[in-house]
Amino acid sequence: GIQVEQSPPDLILQEGANSTLRCNFSDSVNNLQWFHQNPWGQLINLFYIPSGTKQNGRLSATTVATERYSLLYISSSQTTDSGVYFCAVEPPGGSQGNLIFGKGTKLSVKP
Amino acid sequence: DAGITQSPRHKVTETGTPVTLRCHQTENHRYMYWYRQDPGHGLRLIHYSYGVKDTDKGEVSDGYSVSRSKTEDFLLTLESATSSQTSVYFCAISTRDRGYEQYFGPGTRLTVT
Repeated sequence: GIQVEQSPPDLILQEGANSTLRCNFSDSVNNLQWFHQNPWGQLINLFYIPSGTKQNGRLSATTVATERYSLLYISSSQTTDSGVYFCAVEPPGGSQGNLIFGKGTKLSVKP
Repeated sequence: DAGITQSPRHKVTETGTPVTLRCHQTENHRYMYWYRQDPGHGLRLIHYSYGVKDTDKGEVSDGYSVSRSKTEDFLLTLESATSSQTSVYFCAISTRDRGYEQYFGPGTRLTVT
């Protein structure tokens, strides 16, 4: 089945720094989403981005579907950005939103 | 907030007992999903539903069953709980017209002793 690999697995930043998280996937996809799981366990949808670029405040994401990767950019990081960031994709031929998740990037932002 | 609640939020049960987790949504979304989250595995899909009485298996469905008799409720049942089913269980919803963007409930922490 499709493989989803996220890097780096862990990242420690000082407040105010910028970062780039990467998601590689092994097959074509028509559904890719980024999620943030905060330290209290809540999962929050950040982007639905099967292709192209989107921005939401300090966060932006780019997916290059032909090269099978997606990037999540966090600028001017804040302590509230801490948590785990997951990339999830729907395998080829899927049609009902069944997502395969990567193992996540754990981000710690220090004050 | 997509109007998703899960109950119970925490449960401790003994091996061999049946357990039912409930997911409730208030916005009439057609698609609902159950995931489990374990250290080192991320989230894995257990079962999903694409309408009332329409359900199908996900990646890790063994030992679980689901039912959806009303649009708003999606139940996950562990017929005979085992210690390997100790996990955090998340329910999610999505809408096809938003490209299946998924929104998650708060999770249920289940411990099987």
